[in-house]
Amino acid sequence: RKEVEQDPGPFNVPEGATVAFNCTYSNSASQSFFWYRQDCRKEPKLLMSVYSSGNEDGRFTAQLNRASQYISLLIRDSKLSDSATYLCVVTRSNDYKLSFGAGTTVTVRA
Amino acid sequence: GAVVSQHPSWVICKSGTSVKIECRSLDFQATTMFWYRQFPKQSLMLMATSNEGSKATYEQGVEKDKFLINHASLTLSTLTVTSAHPEDSSFYICSAGGGRGVTDTQYFGPGTRLTVL
Repeated sequence: RKEVEQDPGPFNVPEGATVAFNCTYSNSASQSFFWYRQDCRKEPKLLMSVYSSGNEDGRFTAQLNRASQYISLLIRDSKLSDSATYLCVVTRSNDYKLSFGAGTTVTVRA
Repeated sequence: GAVVSQHPSWVICKSGTSVKIECRSLDFQATTMFWYRQFPKQSLMLMATSNEGSKATYEQGVEKDKFLINHASLTLSTLTVTSAHPEDSSFYICSAGGGRGVTDTQYFGPGTRLTVL
C-alpha cells in the first residue's frame, strides 16, 4: 500500500466554484502534514501546513482527521491561477522525511 | 529568503555518459539536502539524503554507486548519475532544510529534467 494516496482527478471547475479533495495516509504515527502545489514541469511549493484543529489561509482550508487518517483541502472562490496539481505530503514517522502523494490535478476554467 | 537553485535546468545526454546536477542554497546554510526523482504523473520519490561532510543516506532500492552524491559544503550538494540509461530519464529535484536537519521546512530547487537518449 502506498504511504500517501490521492485521487488524481482531474477536477474541472468553473471560476468561483468551490472544490475539495482528500488524501489518505497509511502510517498512523505520521506527525506532520502539508499541502504543496506543483505547476506543470516545476518544483513543488508549500501551500500550507495542516494542523489537527484545521486551518485556513485565505481561500484555502485544510483539515486533518487523524482517526480516519485523511487530510482534506478545500478551495473557495476558485481562480484560474489555482489550476495546478496539489500534492499531499506527510512526514514519515521514523525519520520525519517527506512522503509525497502523486497529486490531485485541478483545472479552473473561465 | 530560502532560495535553492539547481543547475542545469535541463540536460540531454547519450546513453552511457555521466551527468552531474548541482543544488545550491543561495541565502542560507543547509546541513541536510534531499534528492528526489519524479516520473511523469507520479509522486516525488526520495532518493537520498545528503549530509554535509559525511556520506549520503540512500533510500531502499536506490543504487548508491549509480547515483553519486557529494555534499562538500553547507551550500552545495551534487548528484552525479553515472552511466545514464534511458530509464534514468526523469525530473530530479533537490531540497534543502533550513539548517536544523530533517525536521525543518524543505525548500525545493526548480528541478533538472534529464533526458537520456
